[in-house]
Amino acid sequence: KAGVTQTPRYLIKTRGQQVTLSCSPISGHRSVSWYQQTPGQGLQFLFEYFSETQRNKGNFPGRFSGRQFSNSRSEMNVSTLELGDSALYLCASSRRAGTNTKETQYFGPGTRLLVL
Amino acid sequence: AQTVTQSQPEMSVQEAETVTLSCTYDTSENNYYLFWYKQPPSRQMILVIRQEAYKQQNATENRFSVNFQKAAKSFSLKISDSQLGDTAMYFCAFMKLRSGGGADGLTFGKGTHLIIQP
Repeated sequence: KAGVTQTPRYLIKTRGQQVTLSCSPISGHRSVSWYQQTPGQGLQFLFEYFSETQRNKGNFPGRFSGRQFSNSRSEMNVSTLELGDSALYLCASSRRAGTNTKETQYFGPGTRLLVL
Repeated sequence: AQTVTQSQPEMSVQEAETVTLSCTYDTSENNYYLFWYKQPPSRQMILVIRQEAYKQQNATENRFSVNFQKAAKSFSLKISDSQLGDTAMYFCAFMKLRSGGGADGLTFGKGTHLIIQP
């Protein structure tokens, strides 16, 4: 079974631009979560999507948004990029079938975003 | 809000030795999972082991085992017969479970950089 895939793997943008990152979950997984990893702040939860609806949200400004499609693939968008948005963005999927034993999150390889 | 603390920023041991990474967490919740994830230089986050809070028995996965002390809110990871491939950042993570199903996002510690020396 294929793992979580993320595209693109690397991205360079300039301040003020916007960016869209994509995540395809493991087959059969219906929940997709996004995390930001920086040297200073560590790993921080952005949001979770399940059944095309945002179910959880971390403490990030509204410039960070996402969506999920009917095939469970998810996209994350960051508008008006700032230098501080440079980070590794990790996507994780879980089965989220309603029973607790399905809540383990499996991560993709990440998208490294550099904002100049 | 939950917090996860890993007090060892870096550890170094010889190959084949046993090493224990510490993790403490603070929560008022009773229903949660705890995880250890490994992030090698490739940056791919890999699940090492999972512990359900309602289970008293410590989880084990081959050379990896945990010491889960719920009352003390402690969740340490023991790696036996350490191998060069174990060199990585290790993150302890907390997940609160929701009563209606589903869970909150993972709360991570700052990580421990484990170096296995040949």
